[in-house]
Amino acid sequence: RKEVEQDPGPFNVPEGATVAFNCTYSNSASQSFFWYRQDCRKEPKLLMSVYSSGNEDGRFTAQLNRASQYISLLIRDSKLSDSATYLCVVNGNTGFQKLVFGTGTRLLVSP
Amino acid sequence: EPEVTQTPSHQVTQMGQEVILRCVPISNHLYFYWYRQILGQKVEFLVSFYNNEISEKSEIFDDQFSVERPDGSNFTLKIRSTKLEDSAMYFCASMWGQLSRPGANVLTFGAGSRLTVL
Repeated sequence: RKEVEQDPGPFNVPEGATVAFNCTYSNSASQSFFWYRQDCRKEPKLLMSVYSSGNEDGRFTAQLNRASQYISLLIRDSKLSDSATYLCVVNGNTGFQKLVFGTGTRLLVSP
Repeated sequence: EPEVTQTPSHQVTQMGQEVILRCVPISNHLYFYWYRQILGQKVEFLVSFYNNEISEKSEIFDDQFSVERPDGSNFTLKIRSTKLEDSAMYFCASMWGQLSRPGANVLTFGAGSRLTVL
């Protein structure tokens, strides 16, 4: 099983839509979870950390289900500027200071 | 806003040549990383560095790779004898505290150095 798995997409949605991305991870001992955003040929940038109780930042909501080893990201009221690849990131199997990236889910928001 | 800076932004080299990629992490950060991303693929961990030594490395980080923090500010990745498959974007990243400490565990990436091996 891959350390971090994501549906690569692309997800094509119209402006204003709500879209959800899912991610599963293999290491039950993982403690740190993040969503990063990556624009084409740019560096990954932190979108939000994911906390056990779930957390929200504006139009973005992240949820963590430790029992199922599952993380989600919900984007409400999609904007054109949300078009990017969304990376699920978890601390690794062998080193808790190592972050492991999923392959990313590509989102395309159209007018 | 503090940032991680990387040089060069793009380097073209011949197979077998040595390459050094340079990074200046955020000044008060303690943990340093190199990641790479082959075009169209995922971001892959190469090596982490803490307290002047490698704390972890991946299978990719073989004897051809080395890292150094020669002074208080620079963090370098050296590839001794480049191969075609080393062509990728190399990202340096730094973090202030441990991953388990909320607020301290934001990993900040540089803009990357694109390496093309011919």
